[in-house]
Amino acid sequence: EVQLVESGGGLVKPGESLRLSCAASGFDFSSCSMNWVRQAPGEGLEWVSYISSSSSYIYYTDSVKGRFTISRDNAKNSLYLQMNNLRAEDTAVYYCARAANSGYYSDNWGQGTLVTVSS
Amino acid sequence: QLVLTQSPSASASLGASVKLTCTLSSGHSSYSIAWHQQQPEMGPRYLMKLNSDGSHTKGDGIPDRFSGSSSGAERYLTISSLQSEDEADYYCQTWGTGIQVFGGGTKLTVL
Repeated sequence: EVQLVESGGGLVKPGESLRLSCAASGFDFSSCSMNWVRQAPGEGLEWVSYISSSSSYIYYTDSVKGRFTISRDNAKNSLYLQMNNLRAEDTAVYYCARAANSGYYSDNWGQGTLVTVSS
Repeated sequence: QLVLTQSPSASASLGASVKLTCTLSSGHSSYSIAWHQQQPEMGPRYLMKLNSDGSHTKGDGIPDRFSGSSSGAERYLTISSLQSEDEADYYCQTWGTGIQVFGGGTKLTVL
């Protein structure tokens, strides 16, 4: 069974940093691309970042470019999102999701971790 | 610009069928999409990948009551024999190299 468990969320002030982690199990993590997707309170889903299986290809949505960094450790079956210079508009539940083999879309999702940016 | 448009809400009666629509922006009618379900207070759940020719690949454990179809730039999700647990938000998603886009979601109410 595919399992994706996010951690690292919390309450931070504007301008501060946070690092999210995602522990993956139940599949060959090193062969799969991964996504981070977020959902602001009461809003819809927003794709944040993508990383290919070997980290060769990395993409970000425009609003986080230069502030967020996606990475992975295939030896630890783990995905990360380093978030710097956080803003109030980054407040959201952040989901780790496995990308499908046949496209960039997500075919398995975690339960999410809440990031709140507030002074 | 790659955009997906969904109606904000839909409703149907218990046991009936409902067809949700996701519309691709102009110039993108050949794109595949994915449908996701999000029940209240839960993470999203992948339902299926839907191609422009109507062929679709469902996720593990997705009941036969869920099906997909396509017509031009429209992508549809049909849920038959509606059950109370189908009350949820439904999102479509599409992608290109370096970009992924979600529709705004449709909130389905089961009456």
